[in-house]
Amino acid sequence: QKEVEQDPGPLSVPEGAIVSLNCTYSNSAFQYFMWYRQYSRKGPELLMYTYSSGNKEDGRFTAQVDKSSKYISLFIRDSQPSDSATYLCAMISYNAGNMLTFGGGTRLMVKP
Amino acid sequence: GAGVSQTPSNKVTEKGKYVELRCDPISGHTALYWYRQSLGQGPEFLIYFQGTGAADDSGLPNDRFFAVRPEGSVSTLKIQRTERGDSAVYLCASSPGLVPDTQYFGPGTRLTVL
Repeated sequence: QKEVEQDPGPLSVPEGAIVSLNCTYSNSAFQYFMWYRQYSRKGPELLMYTYSSGNKEDGRFTAQVDKSSKYISLFIRDSQPSDSATYLCAMISYNAGNMLTFGGGTRLMVKP
Repeated sequence: GAGVSQTPSNKVTEKGKYVELRCDPISGHTALYWYRQSLGQGPEFLIYFQGTGAADDSGLPNDRFFAVRPEGSVSTLKIQRTERGDSAVYLCASSPGLVPDTQYFGPGTRLTVL
């Protein structure tokens, strides 16, 4: 079993929909949580970075962390076709330096 | 300013050959990371440099893989006796060197071993 699990999708939604992307993890040492967006044939781009349990909002994006359930989410409001990409969750453990442990990614398609 | 750059963008080689992949980090970033991303998977950690030294090389799959960063800036990932299973996108990231830190990724080098 992988340390970080993520539904691979693809997830197809109409333009304007609210999108919910999720990851579960098994290692309780994970303390820092990120969401990256990756367009085809490009490197991952950081979207959100959270530390504590709770919500963090940035424009149309909201990141949610529930450490007690080992569950994190990314919500995208008013989704746009330009949001079509693969979304990767990533985590850093407090006792493993700065290496990122990624989920497998969820492919999102927003249809006009 | 310029982001992380990686060369070449694509590399095709034959099984058994030696390859070098280069990473130019963001200027002033002291930390540099290499990850490998197979098709349909998330990136997997290979090695992490803080300055010139490898702070963590626990992700290197075997002794055919080696990386250097001799002057604390540009890094080269070296793969000896390539195998078809080495085919993947090799991603480089750099960060200012804090813990925890924000890592900025390059576009990757797509390696194909025939």
